[in-house]
Amino acid sequence: DQQVKQNSPSLSVQEGRISILNCDYTNSMFDYFLWYKKYPAEGPTFLISISSIKDKNEDGRFTVFLNKSAKHLSLHIVPSQPGDSAVYFCAASARVEGGSEKLVFGKGMKLTVNP
Amino acid sequence: EPEVTQTPSHQVTQMGQEVILRCVPISNHLYFYWYRQILGQKVEFLVSFYNNEISEKSEIFDDQFSVERPDGSNFTLKIRSTKLEDSAMYFCASGLARYNEQFFGPGTRLTVL
Repeated sequence: DQQVKQNSPSLSVQEGRISILNCDYTNSMFDYFLWYKKYPAEGPTFLISISSIKDKNEDGRFTVFLNKSAKHLSLHIVPSQPGDSAVYFCAASARVEGGSEKLVFGKGMKLTVNP
Repeated sequence: EPEVTQTPSHQVTQMGQEVILRCVPISNHLYFYWYRQILGQKVEFLVSFYNNEISEKSEIFDDQFSVERPDGSNFTLKIRSTKLEDSAMYFCASGLARYNEQFFGPGTRLTVL
């Protein structure tokens, strides 16, 4: 079941540069997308979300872009900081009337920000 | 900042034994969830719970699993007769409204021997 795909397992960037994390989905019923960050031995921490009625949502250093026609979203972190080093999960849900609130997760991508 | 808490952080049990994993969701949240992550695999949805009943469950959530909100603060996941393949990290999550973001606890690592 590969409804949410994060095809790159890892990314390494220099501090201060932009980190771009990508996510693709196959289920056209998905209408709400979230990014979570996870440190070792901790649970996923909510970062930012976007509804399918938007194509961009920004919160401080984090911006999520949604391209519905391509079924693709990306998370931009700028500037990247060493404390951003973590595993990032893309998740999606189908919130349409009568839909599901369950989150479907990607496999995650390990981001390393080098000082 | 309010957070979801889970106990224990690590539970070791013998195959066939019953385990209860405990969670205290964020206090004003109304929707509660359990997910699990088997080592090296994706985080998978198990069950959602609202107004004292299950609102949705996955195929994983069979008759061996049950959830309960025994009082105003705790939310529990019970596995009646554990199997080796139940070994995983179990995450509790809660949300303020049905389709809002879900906030996760730190997880309970369950090891079935």
